[in-house]
Formats: sequence, C-alpha cells, structure tokens
Amino acid sequence: DAGVTQSPTHLIKTRGQQVTLRCSPISGHKSVSWYQQVLGQGPQFIFQYYEKEERGRGNFPDRFSARQFPNYSSELNVNALLLGDSALYLCASSLNSFGELFFGEGSRLTVL
Amino acid sequence: ILNVEQSPQSLHVQEGDSTNFTCSFPSSNFYALHWYRWETAKSPEALFVMTLNGDEKKKGRISATLNTKEGYSYLYIKGSQPEDSATYLCAFNSGGSNYKLTFGKGTLLTVNP
Repeated sequence: DAGVTQSPTHLIKTRGQQVTLRCSPISGHKSVSWYQQVLGQGPQFIFQYYEKEERGRGNFPDRFSARQFPNYSSELNVNALLLGDSALYLCASSLNSFGELFFGEGSRLTVL
Repeated sequence: ILNVEQSPQSLHVQEGDSTNFTCSFPSSNFYALHWYRWETAKSPEALFVMTLNGDEKKKGRISATLNTKEGYSYLYIKGSQPEDSATYLCAFNSGGSNYKLTFGKGTLLTVNP
C-alpha cells in the first residue's frame, strides 16, 4: 500500500510569491495534518482536517490556509512568502482525529 | 504555551550499549504521548502512542514508559545498533476539540559500529 505522498519534494520561491503544497493520505485515512519543521526545532502544528472540516489550527498567520478534498487529499497554501517560511512542510494522515500519525517525506520550501 | 522538553539533545553511543532518553510534558490536560523515530532523508515513523499513566510499551529492543502525574516519559533502547541512529521525537496531545501534537526538539542518537 502507498504511504503518504507529498508534492513537490523541493521548491524554491522568492519573497512575496505564493506556494501550494499537496498531500495524498494513506487510503482509508480521513484525517490530514500539516506541520512545519525548521532546522533545530520539532515539527510545529499548522492545521488538521478531518472529514473535510478544519479541526485545528496552530499559531500561524492568515497567509497560511489549507483545505481537504472529497477524496481526503489536502493542499496547504502559503501567500506572500517570507524568508522565514523556508522550512520542511510535513503532511501526516491518520485513521481518526487522535491516532498515530503517518508522515510523508515532506516538501522542502526555500524562500529567497 | 505547552512546553515539551527532550533530553539529551544528542547522544553518541557504541554498538551494543543500552541508552535512554527523557521527554517531559505538562502534567495537566493529558490525553496522549507519542514517540516517533525520524531517520535522515526519511519520514518520521510512529513508535508508540501512550495514553495511560504507568503504561509500558515495547517494540523489539525499544521500550517506553509513561508517568502522566509527574509529566515524563522515558524511551529505552537495549543493545543499540547502527540502524537505530535517528532523531527520536516525543509529542504531547492534550485532547479536546483542537487536535494537535506539540513536539519536542528531539534527541539525535548516533550509534557507532
């Protein structure tokens, strides 16, 4: 069975641009979460979606938005990129809202 | 603001050594404590999800204990092998309607052959 897949794996953007990151969960998983990981820190919670509804939002500005589609895949959008948005963005899926997370390999975003 | 602290930050051991790490978390509003292993260039992989005070879980040579009253969990690796080299992350979940995991910074384990 395929694990959690994320795309793109690497991308480079300039300040002020917008980016969309994509995530496909494990088949049958209805919950998708997004985390941001910067060097030297643990992953920071951005969003959680369950059954296409937002269930949680972390301490990120409104430039960050996400959505979940009927097939449970998800997109994370970041507008007006700043240098500080450079990070590894991890997507994780789970069977339910509180179970163990299954992570993708992440999308590495560099903002110049 | 929830603080999840892990110690040590990094650890170098020889193959065959046993080792342990600590994760401390808030002792109030506890729902679950997760442990993940994150190997370089791979994705984090769940080791354990622990919910009950006094819980002990084991997977092969790796085991974990949980004390929710004092807010700590230990992860033990018996007879470390080079393939155990990874960052070990713990994450705290306080439950409620806003499901999120608050991660520590991790412990980087290097096992020398």
